[in-house]
Amino acid sequence: DTAVSQTPKYLVTQMGNDKSIKCEQNLGHDTMYWYKQDSKKFLKIMFSYNNKELIINETVPNRFSPKSPDKAHLNLHINSLELGDSAVYFCASSQVLVRGEAFFGQGTRLTVV
Amino acid sequence: GQQLNQSPQSMFIQEGEDVSMNCTSSSIFNTWLWYKQDPGEGPVLLIALYKAGELTSNGRLTAQFGITRKDSFLNISASIPSDVGIYFCAGYLSGSARQLTFGSGTQLTVLP
Repeated sequence: DTAVSQTPKYLVTQMGNDKSIKCEQNLGHDTMYWYKQDSKKFLKIMFSYNNKELIINETVPNRFSPKSPDKAHLNLHINSLELGDSAVYFCASSQVLVRGEAFFGQGTRLTVV
Repeated sequence: GQQLNQSPQSMFIQEGEDVSMNCTSSSIFNTWLWYKQDPGEGPVLLIALYKAGELTSNGRLTAQFGITRKDSFLNISASIPSDVGIYFCAGYLSGSARQLTFGSGTQLTVLP
């Protein structure tokens, strides 16, 4: 009964490939997010999305795109992977109209070789 | 954009000691949150603060929402080995942004 689950936990791929990371939340939250954590442990927002609005961090390359088939899922697609994309990616969800606390998945460690 | 300064960056303490860390912001928030991240895991929410001046405890953890709404601190009393991890503050401001802004984290090491 994991609240926010993402798969895979580890992903190793070659430069130039296209990959996806899946995320599901069973908390009934209205908003989902993708965060990137770099080697220095900084957590940076990439996307914020609910069924009405997608907010994109302007620093995110357009090779990254979120796809939401329904309210409980927000997948991350990455095209033409680059070495600098190696990081840990976290999915999170929250009920923004309430208080804004975000609950995180376990993370996906992406390594581009 | 909003900036959060979290300090200290790292701490090495003896088991049983108390710990204090804080965050300051260049602008106001209406929610302050404190998270802990264990190795290989996602951040886990420890304490949430919703009102300026609010002081909230969760076991050995105590956190306060600064009255200016631009700062918060977290105290851990009588530290134990399982307190090891990275602690993050996060601020939330309702509105069109709808996202948390995170501090840079405090790496806590508890020595036996």
